[in-house]
Amino acid sequence: LAKTTQPISMDSYEGQEVNITCSHNNIATNDYITWYQQFPSQGPRFIIQGYKTKVTNEVASLFIPADRKSSTLSLPRVSLSDTAVYYCLVGDMYSGSQGNLIFGKGTKLSVKP
Amino acid sequence: ETGVTQSPTHLIKTRGQQVTLRCSSQSGHNTVSWYQQALGQGPQFIFQYYREEENGRGNFPPRFSGLQFPNYSSELNVNALELDDSALYLCASSLVGGARETQYFGPGTRLLVL
Repeated sequence: LAKTTQPISMDSYEGQEVNITCSHNNIATNDYITWYQQFPSQGPRFIIQGYKTKVTNEVASLFIPADRKSSTLSLPRVSLSDTAVYYCLVGDMYSGSQGNLIFGKGTKLSVKP
Repeated sequence: ETGVTQSPTHLIKTRGQQVTLRCSSQSGHNTVSWYQQALGQGPQFIFQYYREEENGRGNFPPRFSGLQFPNYSSELNVNALELDDSALYLCASSLVGGARETQYFGPGTRLLVL
């Protein structure tokens, strides 16, 4: 299972665009890349998922280069409520093997006024 | 809201006791996974159930066991509680069969073992 590496923390200001990059050098052909957001004492919330190139939804964009060894979550015009921990996960969701979803420590994003 | 609910929200137990945590999956989902999240850490995979059978397990001892019922609700049972079992326990449901199954998490149960 591919291991991911993210910055431990990031700071930003309201209204700015935030880009969080995740490295996953050992990503496998069948692996998807998924990002979750988590507020204290709450369950992780699905943000976006992709396999290659670019994916965009109503809250974020996900950029994946051709070699898929990294990915970047882009949050446009962040607000104070975007202060949370963001997790990048890589994996074949239903291989049936151990370690269904491997969470790292995530990136703690702090948005300041 | 994900439609995944968990009960209870908080629980206090003493070392050596047993605990049962419950999860109600999102409507239409047939798979549930359980995770343990210690303070300041990312969630750690415990096990997954698909159509009432265990379908993968993380690095947790046998005293962590589970059940999935025909209505796809689920239980996590922990026997002989230890102090280190204090954590937020999360369940996540999903629907196997699509091209990209996404897991939707419940709010969690905060367990404190004294």
